[in-house]
Amino acid sequence: GIQVEQSPPDLILQEGANSTLRCNFSDSVNNLQWFHQNPWGQLINLFYIPSGTKQNGRLSATTVATERYSLLYISSSQTTDSGVYFCAVGSNDYKLSFGAGTTVTVRA
Amino acid sequence: DAGVTQSPTHLIKTRGQHVTLRCSPISGHKSVSWYQQVLGQGPQFIFQYYEKEERGRGNFPDRFSARQFPNYSSELNVNALLLGDSALYLCASSFGTGAEAFFGQGTRLTVV
Repeated sequence: GIQVEQSPPDLILQEGANSTLRCNFSDSVNNLQWFHQNPWGQLINLFYIPSGTKQNGRLSATTVATERYSLLYISSSQTTDSGVYFCAVGSNDYKLSFGAGTTVTVRA
Repeated sequence: DAGVTQSPTHLIKTRGQHVTLRCSPISGHKSVSWYQQVLGQGPQFIFQYYEKEERGRGNFPDRFSARQFPNYSSELNVNALLLGDSALYLCASSFGTGAEAFFGQGTRLTVV
């Protein structure tokens, strides 16, 4: 199966700071999603981005499929941005393969 | 519109027992997938069903089984529970294979 690596594993930010999370994957994909897992465990969809660039408020994401990586940008971080961010990828099959996640802590 | 709904939200079972977890997909979605997430790790794929047929199975023992009903809802069954089955079980629905997946709130299973 596809291997997914996320970095860094942990990130501590001061409120207002900007950050970049990275996701590397080992094979070509036709599905790439970024999720934020809230403290109750639910995975919240951030982006569906198998290629290209998207923005949603303070968050944006870029996937360079030919180089097998994706980046998630958080700007002007807020304490509510804290949590675990997952990258998940899928190819021509039926499943999503998840990375181990990046734990983000934003301090006031 | 309702999102993906799972029931129950929490469950405590004893080793050796059987458990059934339920999932209702988003209206119009025909694909349902199940994932297991143990503490500190990313979710791991268990099953996918599309149009009531099993399309894929992850590396889980035969104690795990699932099915999809005509209304596209799904059940995940686990027999002979082990302590190691304690985890958050997540259900995802999508319009089809490769389409954006949406997850339910999960069922937190504790085996004692």
